[in-house]
Amino acid sequence: GAVVSQHPSWVICKSGTSVKIECRSLDFQATTMFWYRQFPKKSLMLMATSNEGSKATYEQGVEKDKFLINHASLTLSTLTVTSAHPEDSSFYICSAGDRDQQPQHFGDGTRLSIL
Amino acid sequence: QKEVEQNSGPLSVPEGAIASLNCTYSDRGSQSFFWYRQYSGKSPELIMSIYSNGDKEDGRFTAQLNKASQYVSLLIRDSQPSDSATYLCACQGWRNTGFQKLVFGTGTRLLVSP
Repeated sequence: GAVVSQHPSWVICKSGTSVKIECRSLDFQATTMFWYRQFPKKSLMLMATSNEGSKATYEQGVEKDKFLINHASLTLSTLTVTSAHPEDSSFYICSAGDRDQQPQHFGDGTRLSIL
Repeated sequence: QKEVEQNSGPLSVPEGAIASLNCTYSDRGSQSFFWYRQYSGKSPELIMSIYSNGDKEDGRFTAQLNKASQYVSLLIRDSQPSDSATYLCACQGWRNTGFQKLVFGTGTRLLVSP
């Protein structure tokens, strides 16, 4: 079945650091990938929709200059958290689907801790 | 009104029992419906997808969809302690631009006791 790989799985870094998270579709081409954030005991929150070859579509309230998304190929999307601060600490998860984005499969997530 | 509503639980059932998880949605344009299981600290895992009215069975899992009532459910037969997790209901609509983003409920926490 479809597999989505996310890397790294765990990051601890100092405040002010920029962190890049990769999301890869391993056995299918994903024209669209999605980035979510989840705080402890809370539901998934969609941050942005990543479109191959074009600009990402951000959800209301998500700073596009803070969370840079690049979708350079049909199998790779990256999320860069720029100048991260402790309040950016969260569980970041990507997802992708093959045909018509159905159904979506999630990567294993990246746990980001900013000190 | 939330777009996708689920009882947060916890729903407690004994091992071997049937667990029934329910979800209602507000967008009548929703075309696709999914159930995801999320263990604590892990990412969601797709369990079932359903696209038409009626029942869909896969092993111990049965998804039920009633578009007229805007209701989707997940039944887990012979519940096991390993089924203890949060179950997320997700709906996806369709517009002339294509399929829309998934809309998730807040999830129902299921506890299966040995």
